[in-house]
Amino acid sequence: AQSVTQLGSHVSVSEGALVLLRCNYSSSVPPYLFWYVQYPNQGLQLLLKYTSAATLVKGINGFEAEFKKSETSFHLTKPSAHMSDAAEYFCAVSLNYGGATNKLIFGTGTLLAVQP
Amino acid sequence: DTGVSQNPRHKITKRGQNVTFRCDPISEHNRLYWYRQTLGQGPEFLTYFQNEAQLEKSRLLSDRFSAERPKGSFSTLEIQRTEQGDSAMYLCASSPRTASSYEQYFGPGTRLTVT
Repeated sequence: AQSVTQLGSHVSVSEGALVLLRCNYSSSVPPYLFWYVQYPNQGLQLLLKYTSAATLVKGINGFEAEFKKSETSFHLTKPSAHMSDAAEYFCAVSLNYGGATNKLIFGTGTLLAVQP
Repeated sequence: DTGVSQNPRHKITKRGQNVTFRCDPISEHNRLYWYRQTLGQGPEFLTYFQNEAQLEKSRLLSDRFSAERPKGSFSTLEIQRTEQGDSAMYLCASSPRTASSYEQYFGPGTRLTVT
């Protein structure tokens, strides 16, 4: 069965500092991997996705993530945090095989705080 | 493309009452998903439609829950005899059926509070 573990339920950084949000996955077949962001009382917005093409994936708002099969990781990074990045971030996995429903399995989320 | 819409955005109901939520996916998206998100947790999969066919249901979807997608367009999620444990955010997502259509587009959610 597939699963996602997000290390650190709360991460705090200073404005302008590096953002690193950790995600490790478990999957019996090659996965698709996603990062979503959720602002308070809103739905989820897709930041970026890995679908077995380039291992370094660039997303919106300056975020990127690198798929590392050997480490079963898909960590999210941003070189310089902005105040507007404060939100909750979810890593998700779905199965990559024919006929799959592609339902998403989410981690428990990481709440990012950005200090001025 | 107006995005996924959900109604109502908030619902407060008393225990034992029935509630129904509606989701309008992005037009021409033939895949539709329902998820439930409780406080401090990630969304959990409830059910999946491909066009009008309900192809997968989670064990979380007890027999008090029913979902439909008539004509493969909008979808409804009904909860009968609500319980306090049903309080959560109910999220709908849609996805197109193309070769690269792996991502899901989420609506703003319906927040249910059962008192």
